[in-house]
Amino acid sequence: ELKVEQNPLFLSMQEGKNYTIYCNYSTTSDRLYWYRQDPGKSLESLFVLLSNGAVKQEGRLMASLDTKARLSTLHITAAVHDLSATYFCAVDPGGYQKVTFGTGTKLQVIP
Amino acid sequence: DAGVTQSPTHLIKTRGQQVTLRCSPKSGHDTVSWYQQALGQGPQFIFQYYEEEERQRGNFPDRFSGHQFPNYSSELNVNALLLGDSALYLCASSPTARQAMNTEAFFGQGTRLTVV
Repeated sequence: ELKVEQNPLFLSMQEGKNYTIYCNYSTTSDRLYWYRQDPGKSLESLFVLLSNGAVKQEGRLMASLDTKARLSTLHITAAVHDLSATYFCAVDPGGYQKVTFGTGTKLQVIP
Repeated sequence: DAGVTQSPTHLIKTRGQQVTLRCSPKSGHDTVSWYQQALGQGPQFIFQYYEEEERQRGNFPDRFSGHQFPNYSSELNVNALLLGDSALYLCASSPTARQAMNTEAFFGQGTRLTVV
């Protein structure tokens, strides 16, 4: 059974600081997604990573994928309050959108 | 483009009842997946419909069933509701299988089901 684990589960950080969220998964996959979820809302797609070594950046967020280590990271640079949300990584080994989500990381950015 | 739309947004049901949730996929998408998200947890895959058939299924009992219509919209049915079925139910749509290899799924706003 595919397991996807994130750490930390909770992260409280001050504005302007940098931090990294880690996503480990148990089965070979070269397809990984990052989503953001605000309280009571749906999932917003952030990144699609499709190969080993893939790196994508959008604003203060940068995601990378190491398929050999079965590890993805989401790096936050100079955090701002608007980034407060829950972040999920999700793995799709077969490529047919049967997606297994991680446990989620609840991020709180303190002004 | 209206994106993925779900109805209703909120629903309260009694234990033992049956419920039907509805989803219209994003324009150009023909594959619909359903997820259950319990409070404080990540979404869990229920099943996926493509060409009006269930193509993949997660670890959910037969009480959970679905349907896809010729216009690609979909329904999720849950029979004999339990308190533990209370959750946010998310519908996600994606394009055809070959195209889906290079893109993510798009999620609707969800239906919040409360079983009392």
